[in-house]
Amino acid sequence: AQRVTQPEKLLSVFKGAPVELKCNYSYSGSPELFWYVQYSRQRLQLLLRHISRESIKGFTADLNKGETSFHLKKPFAQEEDSAMYYCAPNSGYSTLTFGKGTMLLVSP
Amino acid sequence: KAGVTQTPRYLIKTRGQQVTLSCSPISGHRSVSWYQQTPGQGLQFLFEYFSETQRNKGNFPGRFSGRQFSNSRSEMNVSTLELGDSALYLCASSPIAGPAYNEQFFGPGTRLTVL
Repeated sequence: AQRVTQPEKLLSVFKGAPVELKCNYSYSGSPELFWYVQYSRQRLQLLLRHISRESIKGFTADLNKGETSFHLKKPFAQEEDSAMYYCAPNSGYSTLTFGKGTMLLVSP
Repeated sequence: KAGVTQTPRYLIKTRGQQVTLSCSPISGHRSVSWYQQTPGQGLQFLFEYFSETQRNKGNFPGRFSGRQFSNSRSEMNVSTLELGDSALYLCASSPIAGPAYNEQFFGPGTRLTVL
């Protein structure tokens, strides 16, 4: 079975500090990897996906196949980044498995 | 384009009752997936429908069922409600099948409370 671990329930940083939201998954292969985000009072939405190799809102995500991790990073956090972040890797299953999420709180 | 819509937004039921939730996908989207979100378990996949056929089902009891209509609108039904069914039920749509490979567009959710 697919297992996704987001070890931090809450990550609190100050504005301008670097941010790393961790995500580990439990299977091998070449997964498709997503990060979804939910801002306060907004819908869950896609932030970025590994295949596109894009940087969205300053966030990037690096796939480390050896460590089976897909951490989300941003060099300088902004207050508007405060939100709930969900990692959703997929190993080839056609269903989407989400991690339990990390709440990012960026203080001024 | 209008986003995914879900009705009703809030629902209060008692144990033993049944409930039907509705989801209208973005126009042109043929895949609809349902998720249950709870504080303890997070987001869990319920099922996916594409072209009126259930493609995948998550690990939920048979009390949870769904269907999709020819216009891609979908309903999910929960029978014999239990207290543990209290959750936010999210619907997501995408143009093609396979939520694990394609961006999902989520609705606002239906908050179900079972008393």
